[in-house]
This record gives sequence, C-alpha cells and structure tokens, in this order.
Amino acid sequence: NAGVTQTPKFQVLKTGQSMTLQCAQDMNHNSMYWYRQDPGMGLRLIYYSASEGTTDKGEVPNGYNVSRLNKREFSLRLESAAPSQTSVYFCASSVERGNEQFFGPGTRLTVL
Amino acid sequence: AQSVAQPEDQVNVAEGNPLTVKCTYSVSGNPYLFWYVQYPNRGLQFLLKYITGDNLVKGSYGFEAEFNKSQTSFHLKKPSALVSDSALYFCAVRAQAGTALIFGKGTTLSVSS
Repeated sequence: NAGVTQTPKFQVLKTGQSMTLQCAQDMNHNSMYWYRQDPGMGLRLIYYSASEGTTDKGEVPNGYNVSRLNKREFSLRLESAAPSQTSVYFCASSVERGNEQFFGPGTRLTVL
Repeated sequence: AQSVAQPEDQVNVAEGNPLTVKCTYSVSGNPYLFWYVQYPNRGLQFLLKYITGDNLVKGSYGFEAEFNKSQTSFHLKKPSALVSDSALYFCAVRAQAGTALIFGKGTTLSVSS
C-alpha cells in the first residue's frame, strides 16, 4: 500500500515550457486535490476532483489544468510555465471531499 | 467567509516542557477540525481530527487538541515536547459537509534540547 505517489520529485523548467505532474493513490479514495506550498503562504488549493469525472477550481487555478484520468490518477499540467509557478506541489486524496486528506511526498518545481 | 488562523509563525519550547500550537477558526455551522504535521522535505501527515463529541481529541505521537466552541479555537498540545517534534504544523477546518478543507498558514515548532 503506497498511499499517494507523485512524479517527478524534482523538476527544473525554462519559462514557457510545459509539463505534467502525475499523482496516483491506491486507497480507493473518491476525492483528489492539488496544492502548492510557498513560504509564508501555507497551502493553497489549485484544483480538486470531488469524484471521478469531475474537477473544480480552487483558490489559485490560473496557469494550470487538471485531468482526473480515472479513480486512481489525477494529473496537473502547466501549459506555459512561469517563474511565479516555482513552488512545491502536493497531491492529496480523501475518502470524500472534506474528510482528512492524505498527502504525497511533493514535487519541487523550479521555473527559470 | 470561512477561515482558519494560526496566530504564531513560530513556537519555541525546551524539550520536556509542555507545548501548545494555537489555531482559531471562523465558520458557519459546526466545524470539522484537523491538525497536520510536515517534516522537512516531506508531505503533510494527518495527526488528529475533531468532528463531534469529547472536546479533547487524542492523536498520533502523543499529541492532543482541545476544541473550544465559545472561543472558536482548536489548540494542539503535548504534555512533554521532544526534539523530534520540531516540524511545521498546520490546522485545517471544514465548514460544511462536502466542502474542501481550508488550511492555516502553518506554525513552525522548534524544540530545543
């Protein structure tokens, strides 16, 4: 039982490049989330998926897109990376929206 | 608007002393409250939650939290701090069924030997 896994662990991009962050959970959870963590800002919700087939914007969705590929997988895509998107990105899942969330180890992204 | 506040950016305690990390919230209705811990270069780990019932909730690693409805607070406590408790702690609240968690900005706990 791996819990929530994220790939890659680290990534460096140049401004304008695109990339997809992958997340998978093996706990049969319905809800999945993407957060970014910046110093002094705490955790900010980018997008979430309350259940398979649905996605909704969070607090800071601009510049990102998501795909809930199936119940297990929830990906985050940066179409044209900007330096302001330098951050640590966390994926999380929960049985239902609003229950305790279980977090992945994070992806540290640097955009030059 | 629903919100959660952690009024202290940093809390410093000596090993063996009791520790408190403060959290206050503002929601309509009955809140669900959570505490998470984050060690360096790791994801957040769930510590404990309050849904209903006894105002004192016990969680992982000897931590507990006290729900105080009149003061709208949910402070995290531990009777005797360990150096290994040094980490970043987040409080979170869920306002209504089916809504997402709202996280505080976090409090850094530093326990000195």
